[in-house]
Amino acid sequence: QSVLTQPPSASATPGQRVSISCSGSSSNIGSNGVNWYQQLPGTAPKLLIYSNIQRPSRVPDRFSGSKSGTSASLAISGLQSEDEADYYCSSWDDSLNGWVFGGGTKLTVL
Amino acid sequence: QVQLQETGPGLVKPSETLSLTCTFSGGSISAYYWTWIRQPPGKGLEWIGYVSKGGRTRYNPSLESRVTISADTSKKHFSLNLTSVTAADTAVYFCARDPKGDWAFDSWGQGRLVTVSS
Repeated sequence: QSVLTQPPSASATPGQRVSISCSGSSSNIGSNGVNWYQQLPGTAPKLLIYSNIQRPSRVPDRFSGSKSGTSASLAISGLQSEDEADYYCSSWDDSLNGWVFGGGTKLTVL
Repeated sequence: QVQLQETGPGLVKPSETLSLTCTFSGGSISAYYWTWIRQPPGKGLEWIGYVSKGGRTRYNPSLESRVTISADTSKKHFSLNLTSVTAADTAVYFCARDPKGDWAFDSWGQGRLVTVSS
């Protein structure tokens, strides 16, 4: 079982907006930033969102992050077929003194 | 543009030691935290540990008794040793870079599949 909890799957049609949740605790999300990674099939993960809401310059503004308390969310608007991938949330955990990940959410573009 | 590349055996026998090296270009080894992360087939990501810019290491408590991560500053690479492996250690092993140790992994290697089997 992963320390952070994500729904195993999500789906939407092209052009729609989809949101993926990530739930943690006071020792991780509640006291540290949340990062999101996108893993396209057969490739390494790529940083998508860091420090809850920040986007690397190469990431389109269709992707956005938010955090409230011990939960975080990733939203993707104007969904495109190339967004079909696995998405992972991650946060530093002060109790474990290390990084923890969510189990991943497989996004299907219908 | 930083690039990372994992190298090492793709097959390791049970009870033996898994050894991988990550070679990088486009940056200084002394400026970052260098991390290993693994992903069992069809499963999620697991942080293994890091070696810091000052040579300090930190490991996942679940693996700490079997893991060693070290850096060779002169050769611009860092290494992972995982002892006493079992089939549960079969995974794709990624190396990654974190500028601050608790910030984010902003660059990743392509990954190296290591299978533990006799």
